[in-house]
Amino acid sequence: SQQGEEDPQALSIQEGENATMNCSYKTSINNLQWYRQNSGRGLVHLILIRSNEREKHSGRLRVTLDTSKKSSSLLITASRAADTASYFCATPTSGSARQLTFGSGTQLTVLP
Amino acid sequence: ETGVTQTPRHLVMGMTNKKSLKCEQHLGHNAMYWYKQSAKKPLELMFVYNFKEQTENNSVPSRFSPECPNSSHLFLHLHTLQPEDSALYLCASSHQGNNQPQHFGDGTRLSIL
Repeated sequence: SQQGEEDPQALSIQEGENATMNCSYKTSINNLQWYRQNSGRGLVHLILIRSNEREKHSGRLRVTLDTSKKSSSLLITASRAADTASYFCATPTSGSARQLTFGSGTQLTVLP
Repeated sequence: ETGVTQTPRHLVMGMTNKKSLKCEQHLGHNAMYWYKQSAKKPLELMFVYNFKEQTENNSVPSRFSPECPNSSHLFLHLHTLQPEDSALYLCASSHQGNNQPQHFGDGTRLSIL
């Protein structure tokens, strides 16, 4: 069964606004990763947060992890048109040391 | 430039053709992956190689045949594909170890006629 599921499926905002995407998962994890995919390109790793971390920052990105609720959020502050992309969370696949299970993604559109 | 290069970027083939997808990474990674990305579906892991040895095969049909001659190169040989195999095929690599971040190529867009 699918491990990570993003919410919302699509999000459209104005440039300068903040964008928040959520990810829920089902089983216990030791880390969670966020990736971005621009149209026609491969996925790019953004940030990894470990299960003993509650919040992590990278530039305009802020990721939170709530293991009690089995959820994570990705916040992009002061969004730019270049942030337009699909965003995926990925969690370790149950029973596998190296596999990641990706969600269906949130399509973010930032309007200029 | 991601350090992972996939060729060709686009491929159109008939169901009876045989073709190969190529992936090369220049990141010194020891693990390589093939994924299938179809419209409106989550990324599907197909194969995992670690130090040239296949460690995962997620029930992929035999018409897809992977090959990993060394830690830097990965191939996906295709033969007698079906229309539902049309998708974006992504290659990724990572360091050895559990749950390492993966670095992706830009994929091959495959269309089966």
